[in-house]
Amino acid sequence: VQLVQSGAEVKKPGESLKISCRGSGYKFSDFWIGWVRQMPGKRLEWVGVIDPQDSDTRYSPSFEGQVTMSADKSIQTAYLEWSSLKASDPAMFYCARARVGISELYFDQWGQGTLVTVSS
Amino acid sequence: LVLTQSPDTLSLSPGQRASLSCRANPSLSSNYLAWYQQKPGHPPRLLIYAASRRATDIPDRFSGSGSGTDFTLTISRLEPEDFAVYYCQQSSSFGQGTRVEIK
Repeated sequence: VQLVQSGAEVKKPGESLKISCRGSGYKFSDFWIGWVRQMPGKRLEWVGVIDPQDSDTRYSPSFEGQVTMSADKSIQTAYLEWSSLKASDPAMFYCARARVGISELYFDQWGQGTLVTVSS
Repeated sequence: LVLTQSPDTLSLSPGQRASLSCRANPSLSSNYLAWYQQKPGHPPRLLIYAASRRATDIPDRFSGSGSGTDFTLTISRLEPEDFAVYYCQQSSSFGQGTRVEIK
């Protein structure tokens, strides 16, 4: 099982961005994919999860409206997108394979992370 | 849901026992709590899920326990590679992390 994310990005405020996460070694559509943000030296923050089978999504209230998750199961890839980036400290975004149950959600495999820097 | 981990930093020597706490507010109706280990420059690694089940390939010196509001990750004998930051997670909430450092 492997999740491979796209490379680091440096963008200006107002620009758009789409980062990717490609899964391999398992049936991609059988597992939700989650996104997690980590600012330098800070805690993990749950962004949201998406079901690649039907693109059902669940967002953290902190990120809803700020980012858009999508997935293309035909190419085993999930995406995290911003339509208009805001200036901020660099942040690492991880994708992770999620185990989702009625009351349970945890991440059993993680991508290597994509560093996003937004600066004028 | 708020998960509060304690202590923030734990200073121990290799071979010692480490006990990390994660307190949930409000209490969890189910014991679906996970623990992760993160080393600098690396993504987190799943250690424990469902409060006490070890993930694949995790050494048996790692164990999890607890229910309701209080959960514990125990490392029975610290190995040099265990010095890292540990996070608990339940659904969409993560704790703030506990750093286990070499004394």
